[in-house]
Amino acid sequence: GAVVSQHPSRVICKSGTSVKIECRSLDFQATTMFWYRQFPKQSLMLMATSNEGSKATYEQGVEKDKFLINHASLTLSTLTVTSAHPEDSSFYICSARDRRNGQEKLFFGSGTQLSVL
Amino acid sequence: GESVGLHLPTLSVQEGDNSIINCAYSNSASDYFIWYKQESGKGPQFIIDIRSNMDKRQGQRVTVLLNKTVKHLSLQIAATQPGDSAVYFCAENEMGDYKLSFGAGTTVTVRA
Repeated sequence: GAVVSQHPSRVICKSGTSVKIECRSLDFQATTMFWYRQFPKQSLMLMATSNEGSKATYEQGVEKDKFLINHASLTLSTLTVTSAHPEDSSFYICSARDRRNGQEKLFFGSGTQLSVL
Repeated sequence: GESVGLHLPTLSVQEGDNSIINCAYSNSASDYFIWYKQESGKGPQFIIDIRSNMDKRQGQRVTVLLNKTVKHLSLQIAATQPGDSAVYFCAENEMGDYKLSFGAGTTVTVRA
């Protein structure tokens, strides 16, 4: 089946640094990927939609200059948390839209736990 | 979009019994619903989905029921096993854009 790979699985960084998270679709091309954030014991909140070859669309309240999204190829989207602060510590999850064979499915990555000190 | 919510935040079930997890949604325009299972520190895992033109769909040991009249969704797990212990989320979508809105989640704990 389709697999979405997310890297790194865990990252610890100092306040003020930037962190890049990668999301790859391993056996299908994904023109659309999604980025979610999940705080402990809470649900997933959609941050933005990553569109291959065009700008990402951000949900209300999500700072586009803070969370930079690049979808430069059909299999890779990256989320960069710029100038990270402790309040950005969260579990970040990507998903990719698989539209092969006339059927649509959404597959999730395994998540990235970001801890900002 | 409007939020999707769950009736019960936790569910404790005896191994071998059936589990029922409920979800209420408020967006009447939603036409696609998915149940996910999330284990600690991992991403959501697809369980089963259903479109609004159906009211029931069965998978392996799981059944999803959709009642559009009262905007209610449920997930039934037959013969619950220890490996079923996880947080379960319902998610809804309209317009086919796959921008999912997730419910709050129900933590299922299976007692041996």
